[in-house]
Amino acid sequence: DQQVKQNSPSLSVQEGRISILNCDYTNSMFDYFLWYKKYPAEGPTFLISISSIKDKNEDGRFTVFLNKSAKHLSLHIVPSQPGDSAVYFCAASNTGTASKLTFGTGTRLQVTL
Amino acid sequence: GAGVSQSPRYKVAKRGQDVALRCDPISGHVSLFWYQQALGQGPEFLTYFQNEAQLDKSGLPSDRFFAERPEGSVSTLKIQRTQQEDSAVYLCASSLGTASPYGYTFGSGTRLTVV
Repeated sequence: DQQVKQNSPSLSVQEGRISILNCDYTNSMFDYFLWYKKYPAEGPTFLISISSIKDKNEDGRFTVFLNKSAKHLSLHIVPSQPGDSAVYFCAASNTGTASKLTFGTGTRLQVTL
Repeated sequence: GAGVSQSPRYKVAKRGQDVALRCDPISGHVSLFWYQQALGQGPEFLTYFQNEAQLDKSGLPSDRFFAERPEGSVSTLKIQRTQQEDSAVYLCASSLGTASPYGYTFGSGTRLTVV
């Protein structure tokens, strides 16, 4: 049972435009959400996170939106740059069991010139 | 070191062979995690240590999988009698805080191929 779902395996966006990556979850106990970025042959690197008490968190070009009622979150990258090309993973945790992250299957973002 | 170091980077094992994967976390990091990432999937939690104590091993898929961190620093993930379904990238991560997913630093992983 996939508790965190990223339904788009890939996304292609032109440089300078907005990239929107989506993530849905089913477990209502999740209360903290994170996005990780992964380049080939490297481990995932933390990008941005959001607590369930917020609906938006922004860090430079990256903004994460959380819609708790829809159990949906999204990552916006504006403007997209070629160096953003990577696989993006959505992850969730229940801070009651805060040691464990549940990841989605990832979305491969390609930013074209 | 500056990051989480994992060795070996690549391991090919014959089915039935035992393997040991090593993780050197960032110095001083209390928490250490192991994840398994199969091809085309996201990482899946295996186990969690706080210092030398293994606080959560609920993700270990079978009793062939065993992890230890005897002195609260280096950790080893051991897989006995490897099977083809064990083929995956094994990721180690560490964090300064306790029981917190925030600020995980992942290593580059060990790619295990069982033939």
